[in-house]
Amino acid sequence: AAGVIQSPRHLIKEKRETATLKCYPIPRHDTVYWYQQGPGQDPQFLISFYEKMQSDKGSIPDRFSAQQFSDYHSELNMSSLELGDSALYFCASSTGGDTDTQYFGPGTRLTVL
Amino acid sequence: AQTVTQSQPEMSVQEAETVTLSCTYDTSESDYYLFWYKQPPSRQMILVIRQEAYKQQNATENRFSVNFQKAAKSFSLKISDSQLGDAAMYFCAYRVTQGGSEKLVFGKGTKLTVNP
Repeated sequence: AAGVIQSPRHLIKEKRETATLKCYPIPRHDTVYWYQQGPGQDPQFLISFYEKMQSDKGSIPDRFSAQQFSDYHSELNMSSLELGDSALYFCASSTGGDTDTQYFGPGTRLTVL
Repeated sequence: AQTVTQSQPEMSVQEAETVTLSCTYDTSESDYYLFWYKQPPSRQMILVIRQEAYKQQNATENRFSVNFQKAAKSFSLKISDSQLGDAAMYFCAYRVTQGGSEKLVFGKGTKLTVNP
């Protein structure tokens, strides 16, 4: 079965640089979620989109922005990167609605030097 | 705010034995969903099992089953006939439904070691 695709899988950036993470949801899934998992931490919700509209926002820094496109893929843009942004970034997708289950992608490991 | 607590940072079990991972949560909602996700060393987040709060019957998936006690707000995971491949970090998660969003709130996780 098709799974959530994230690219790139690994990314190394310098402080103050910009990074773009991409997420391709499971076919026919219209809802995308982004989570950040720091070292030794549990995943923290950042932001979600349903039908290309932002549906909820969590503890996402103002330096980060995201959007969902017409083909339902999503991009997380991160600017002015800081050392503390080093983490594993997960994208999850679902069909939305009350009975949905979120299926996670493999994650993008971002390292900021 | 909803919170999820996993009181066991680490657990260990012998291969082929049974182990139970604990999870409690706090919510004022009457309808919600609970999940167990497994995160092996590859760091992939894998859904193990889910439970709808309105269902009294405990969910089961092969060797994995839950003990859902709604009144006590407890949601434990039992792994039977443990296998080496079960070694992973296990996260309990609660799904919030607020104005159309279904974000997951995770516990801190329990690291499970399986001894041969």
